Amino acid sequence: GENVEQHPSTLSVQEGDSAVIKCTYSDSASNYFPWYKQELGKRPQLIIDIRSNVGEKKDQRIAVTLNKTAKHFSLHITETQPEDSAVYFCAAISGSARQLTFGSGTQLTVLP
Amino acid sequence: DVKVTQSSRYLVKRTGEKVFLECVQDMDHENMFWYRQDPGLGLRLIYFSYDVKMKEKGDIPEGYSVSREKKERFSLILESASTNQTSMYLCASSFLGEAFFGQGTRLTVV
Repeated sequence: GENVEQHPSTLSVQEGDSAVIKCTYSDSASNYFPWYKQELGKRPQLIIDIRSNVGEKKDQRIAVTLNKTAKHFSLHITETQPEDSAVYFCAAISGSARQLTFGSGTQLTVLP
Repeated sequence: DVKVTQSSRYLVKRTGEKVFLECVQDMDHENMFWYRQDPGLGLRLIYFSYDVKMKEKGDIPEGYSVSREKKERFSLILESASTNQTSMYLCASSFLGEAFFGQGTRLTVV
């Protein structure tokens, strides 16, 4: 099955700086790569996603890039704010398998 | 607005008990999932289902079973609860890949 690895496990940045979280996946058939944000005590929620026919997608301060050849994708958050502090999960899904596999998560802390 | 509801927010059970965790979604999604969340281990897939009465093992199915008799309901069953099954359990349903999560059930096995 699919294996998703995520780094780093913890990340601290100063407010206003950028944050980058990286993931790799193993199944070359995977074609959908979402990112979820989980605030303390709350359920994970989708913040951005990218499909395999696109190399980059941006939504205001967040962007995701995908390199299918290398089988890795990254989340970029610019101009970080304290409310960006949360656990972020990457995930991958293979169309044939329908299985949604998550990375191990990154605890992002934005220091004021 | 998609709603995924888990039957309990907190649950305490004794070792050896049979435990049922229920999940209901109201958006007619075909795919439903059960994950457990442990610190440092992320969200690990226990079982998923892509249709009524269909089920597939995820990465950590041992000690668990599932039931999907109706499209909107996906149940996770711990046949004989053990202390190493103490965890946060999250149910999700998905459409076109995007997953919608329930609020989670924190299960403690004593």
